[in-house]
Amino acid sequence: EPEVTQTPSHQVTQMGQEVILRCVPISNHLYFYWYRQILGQKVEFLVSFYNNEISEKSEIFDDQFSVERPDGSNFTLKIRSTKLEDSAMYFCASSRDYPTKGLAGNEQFFGPGTRLTVL
Amino acid sequence: QQPVQSPQAVILREGEDAVINCSSSKALYSVHWYRQKHGEAPVFLMILLKGGEQMRHEKISASFNEKKQQSSLYLTASQLSYSGTYFCGTVGSARQLTFGSGTQLTVLP
Repeated sequence: EPEVTQTPSHQVTQMGQEVILRCVPISNHLYFYWYRQILGQKVEFLVSFYNNEISEKSEIFDDQFSVERPDGSNFTLKIRSTKLEDSAMYFCASSRDYPTKGLAGNEQFFGPGTRLTVL
Repeated sequence: QQPVQSPQAVILREGEDAVINCSSSKALYSVHWYRQKHGEAPVFLMILLKGGEQMRHEKISASFNEKKQQSSLYLTASQLSYSGTYFCGTVGSARQLTFGSGTQLTVLP
């Protein structure tokens, strides 16, 4: 069964450093997402991406964040200068279709996550 | 604006039923339900669309009341494997999936 994969599973970095989190979405999916979850809290939407551009982004997704699809399979989230409060689990997700489209293909499948620890 | 889930936590015995509610103050296009086990990613359970039918996943079903902008998740004859945190996610005009704060479900033998 196809699945979303993410690397690394755990990233430890110093405050102020840049990190890149990588994701490989399900191959026939067209919409990609990043979410984060601070320990013990809810899952928060960061950004959605389609056709090589950002579709939607939340207020969390400020200038420190960027996303890219550098090739046909990878989808990356870059945090330029990490802060302590960026420590969280970051989930990548993908869907065949967009949330406002019809039922089939609407569901988002999540990867296993990358635990980011900023020291 | 995030949806409101209730209750925050439920403890059940195996075989008992539970209902988890999710409501929004804004008009919704769809409601998504996920289950997350500790240390794992959220796993998709089902979607309910405006005007759609009640959905079912094994012994878990859900409904969406468009007038009240409320969805309910029904867990029937709960099994130990149902334990986890259940999140509802809503999609409205913002076209992004916004999750509630979750309901922690514990099923005891």
